[in-house]
Amino acid sequence: RKEVEQDPGPFNVPEGATVAFNCTYSNSASQSFFWYRQDCRKEPKLLMSVYSSGNEDGRFTAQLNRASQYISLLIRDSKLSDSATYLCVVRDFGNEKLTFGTGTRLTIIP
Amino acid sequence: DGGITQSPKYLFRKEGQNVTLSCEQNLNHDAMYWYRQDPGQGLRLIYYSQIVNDFQKGDIAEGYSVSREKKESFPLTVTSAQKNPTAFYLCASSISTGFFGYTFGSGTRLTVV
Repeated sequence: RKEVEQDPGPFNVPEGATVAFNCTYSNSASQSFFWYRQDCRKEPKLLMSVYSSGNEDGRFTAQLNRASQYISLLIRDSKLSDSATYLCVVRDFGNEKLTFGTGTRLTIIP
Repeated sequence: DGGITQSPKYLFRKEGQNVTLSCEQNLNHDAMYWYRQDPGQGLRLIYYSQIVNDFQKGDIAEGYSVSREKKESFPLTVTSAQKNPTAFYLCASSISTGFFGYTFGSGTRLTVV
């Protein structure tokens, strides 16, 4: 089983729609969780950290479910500029390394 | 502005040559990392360093070497022993402790010709 698993997509979603995707992780001791965004042929950029209580940043909401070992990302009122690959990232306790999922590709259609 | 600078942006290497990719950061981060990304695949860790003059192998270190002589710099050498070096190479840094994510450089795209 992969350490971090994501549905690769692609998700093709009309502009203005709400889209959500999940990511599962295998290590129950994982401590920190992040969503990164990567545009085509560019470097990943931190979108948001994911906190136990869930957190929201504008149109983006991240949730953590420790019991089921998954995190989710919800994008409301999607914009054309949201088209990108979204990477789920996990850090284990006491471990300096981040483990990256392979990413979910999202395309927002006009 | 603080950040990470990778150079060159594009690099072409002949079979059997060693090449060195540069990574410099002015964020005062202790930890630095090298990842490789292939099309349709996730980022795979090559090497990382938590402190000057110390570094550890990641998941795919064979055919690569690094040094960390200064806090700001973490160059990666792709040696001729690396059988399939064509890839997108990403350098990152982070504060060494806590729940912080990484800051990435803009990457170096290496092609073997």
